[in-house]
Amino acid sequence: KQEVTQIPAALSVPEGENLVLNCSFTDSAIYNLQWFRQDPGKGLTSLLLIQSSQREQTSGRLNASLDKSSGRSTLYIAASQPGDSATYLCAVIMRSGGYNKLIFGAGTRLAVHP
Amino acid sequence: EAQVTQNPRYLITVTGKKLTVTCSQNMNHEYMSWYRQDPGLGLRQIYYSMNVEVTDKGDVPEGYKVSRKEKRNFPLILESPSPNQTSLYFCASSLGTSGRRSYEQYFGPGTRLTVT
Repeated sequence: KQEVTQIPAALSVPEGENLVLNCSFTDSAIYNLQWFRQDPGKGLTSLLLIQSSQREQTSGRLNASLDKSSGRSTLYIAASQPGDSATYLCAVIMRSGGYNKLIFGAGTRLAVHP
Repeated sequence: EAQVTQNPRYLITVTGKKLTVTCSQNMNHEYMSWYRQDPGLGLRQIYYSMNVEVTDKGDVPEGYKVSRKEKRNFPLILESPSPNQTSLYFCASSLGTSGRRSYEQYFGPGTRLTVT
């Protein structure tokens, strides 16, 4: 059974720091991996989708990497800002019962203080 | 604007009183699903639908029903809510789910349900 773990569960950093959020999964037979951002009281916003054939994806100050063989993904946030404060979720996408299914980690709650 | 909408956003109800949470998407997506989010457990899938009149159970379907009579709508029905169904619920949709080129998931804003 696929299990997705995110470490750390919470992180507090001063503005301007570069930081790394970690996501690990137990079954490497995944199709893709998706990183989301969740703001309090709001839904999930997709940040990056990495297909299994890719090693990384970049969007602005965000860079996500994927190493299927070791079951790991990292989300790198450069020059963090207070507006980056949110919960970050990773989800692996894998085949289950004839369709592609998302399995989520519990998230990393990030606080960036001025 | 492409979006997934849910109603209501907040709901407080009592045990046993039937309720429906609506979900609608305007992107002509085939695939829709419902998740619940609980502290420390992440998001868990309740039900999903691959197209009109095609639905199936996710990981935590007990106590829930769904229907997919139209492509754009996917309501979640709690016939007899109980306190353990107090949670944050999300509806999601994507263009499709087949093949290795998975399509990006779009999520609604969430519905916070409290059952007393």
